[in-house]
Parts: sequence; structure tokens; C-alpha cells
Amino acid sequence: NAGVTQTPKFQVLKTGQSMTLQCAQDMNHNSMYWYRQDPGMGLRLIYYSASEGTTDKGEVPNGYNVSRLNKREFSLRLESAAPSQTSVYFCASSVAPPRDEQYFGPGTRLTVT
Amino acid sequence: GQSLEQPSEVTAVEGAIVQINCTYQTSGFYGLSWYQQHDGGAPTFLSYNALDGLEETGRFSSFLSRSDSYGYLLLQELQMKDSASYFCAVRDRGSSASKIIFGSGTRLSIRP
Repeated sequence: NAGVTQTPKFQVLKTGQSMTLQCAQDMNHNSMYWYRQDPGMGLRLIYYSASEGTTDKGEVPNGYNVSRLNKREFSLRLESAAPSQTSVYFCASSVAPPRDEQYFGPGTRLTVT
Repeated sequence: GQSLEQPSEVTAVEGAIVQINCTYQTSGFYGLSWYQQHDGGAPTFLSYNALDGLEETGRFSSFLSRSDSYGYLLLQELQMKDSASYFCAVRDRGSSASKIIFGSGTRLSIRP
């Protein structure tokens, strides 16, 4: 039982490049989330998926797109990376809200130069 | 709009008790969650309060007062491994289920 897994762990991009961050969970959770965390800051929600086939914008969705491929997988795509997107990205999953017991992946450390 | 306030740093002594406060402002309210995050690691869930009162889980307890829009995390018998950042989070009872807000975090430093 791996919980929430994310790939890659580290990535360096040049401005304008694109990439997809992958996330998968094996806990049969309905809800999945993408957050970013900047140094010394809290987590900010980028996108959310309440269930397979649905996605919703969070607090900071600009510059990102998501796909809920199936119940297990939720990917985050940066179409044209910018230095402001340098951050640590966390994927999380949870049982249906409102109980917010979220389980987080190990994170992807992204640097955009 | 939504906002959460928690102290940025707290220092305590090993073996002591420390309380980390969180005040929130939301247009609606489901409950208050707490997470722990060690440097370089991922957040891990500690507790969730939907109703007023104290919830205890081992050395950690969490309290909620809905009328005061206030909660706290209480850590007892502090150990060096408790040195970490602690975040409170709320889900707003708004029209969108995606309104989840985390506080900026409280960095807990423990001295021997």
C-alpha cells in the first residue's frame, strides 16, 4: 500500500517549457488535490477533483491544467513554465469532504529558470 | 473572504506543553484540520474538529470553539522530533467544494 505517489521528485525547466506532474493514490479515495508551497508559506490549492471526471479551480489555477484520468490518477500540467511557478508541488487525496483528512504525496520540487 | 491566522514561530522546551492557536474567518464553516510538516517532508494529518470541544489523540489534542472562530493544537510531553511546522486548515461551506485554505504555518522549535 504505497499511499500517494508523485513523479518526478525533482525537475528543472527553462521558461516556456511544458511538463506534466503525475500523481496516483491506491487508497480508493474519491477526492484529489494539487497544491503548491512556496518557501516559508502555507499550501495553496491549485486544482481539486471531487471524483473521477470532475475538476474545479482552487485558489491559484492560472498557468495550470489538470486531468483526472481515473479514480487513481490526477495529473497537473504546466503548458508554458514561468519562474513564478518555481515551487514544491504536493498532490493529496482524501475521503469525501467535509472531513478534511488529506494524505499527501512526497512532493515535486520544480525550478524554472 | 477566508483567512486563517496562526503565530509564525513558537519555541518550547523538551518535555513541556505548547499550544498553537489558529483563528479563522470564513463565510461558512465545516471544520478545522491540523497538519504537521517536517523540513523537506510532506504534510501529515494530525486532527480534525467539526464540533466544539477537545479531541485527544495521544500526546496531541485539538480544540475548537465555533462561536469564537478559534481553535488550537496542544502538544504535550514535547519531544525533539516534534520540531516541525504546524498548519491549520479550513474548508469553507461555500458554493465551491474547492475552497480549502491553509494557514501560513507555525514553526515549532524545541530546546533540550
